[in-house]
Amino acid sequence: DAKTTQPNSMESNEEEPVHLPCNHSTISGTDYIHWYRQLPSQGPEYVIHGLTSNVNNRMASLAIAEDRKSSTLILHRATLRDAAVYYCILSARHNTDKLIFGTGTRLQVFP
Amino acid sequence: NAGVTQTPKFQVLKTGQSMTLQCAQDMNHNSMYWYRQDPGMGLRLIYYSASEGTTDKGEVPNGYNVSRLNKREFSLRLESAAPSQTSVYFCASSFQGAMSGELFFGEGSRLTVL
Repeated sequence: DAKTTQPNSMESNEEEPVHLPCNHSTISGTDYIHWYRQLPSQGPEYVIHGLTSNVNNRMASLAIAEDRKSSTLILHRATLRDAAVYYCILSARHNTDKLIFGTGTRLQVFP
Repeated sequence: NAGVTQTPKFQVLKTGQSMTLQCAQDMNHNSMYWYRQDPGMGLRLIYYSASEGTTDKGEVPNGYNVSRLNKREFSLRLESAAPSQTSVYFCASSFQGAMSGELFFGEGSRLTVL
């Protein structure tokens, strides 16, 4: 199964944009890219997902490289509530009903 | 709208005891999942059920059994608890399946095995 690589931690100041990178060099052509985040003491929550084209929703934007070997989650204006662990996940190659979480990126947001 | 509800929220067991974690969703979702999260780690998939009447193993199924009781409910059973099963357990559900759909998670069940 394709794996993802993310930095262990990142920092940002409040109201600044945040770019969270994810490398997935072994991604297959049918793998979706998913992002979830987990606030302290809560279950993960969905952020965004995409296949090939860039995606936008009310929470964030997902920029996918042309070769699909990397992607970036963009938070346009970080708030204190965005402090969380962010997981970049690929759907499993041989089973479309599994999401395998890694250890993610812990984002700290400073006032 | 309750979403995904897990019970109990906290449980302490002694080694060798058994227990069942309950999960129910009220969103008419087809797929349901059980994950565990150890301290400082990401989530690992234990079992999942793509539809009512089917279950499949995830990454770490050993020591667990599951039952998809109906479309709403998916339970996780520990037959003989071990300290290595001390963890936070999350149930999740999805309408379309994980690949193209959004997973909704419960608040978690914190289990300690002494």
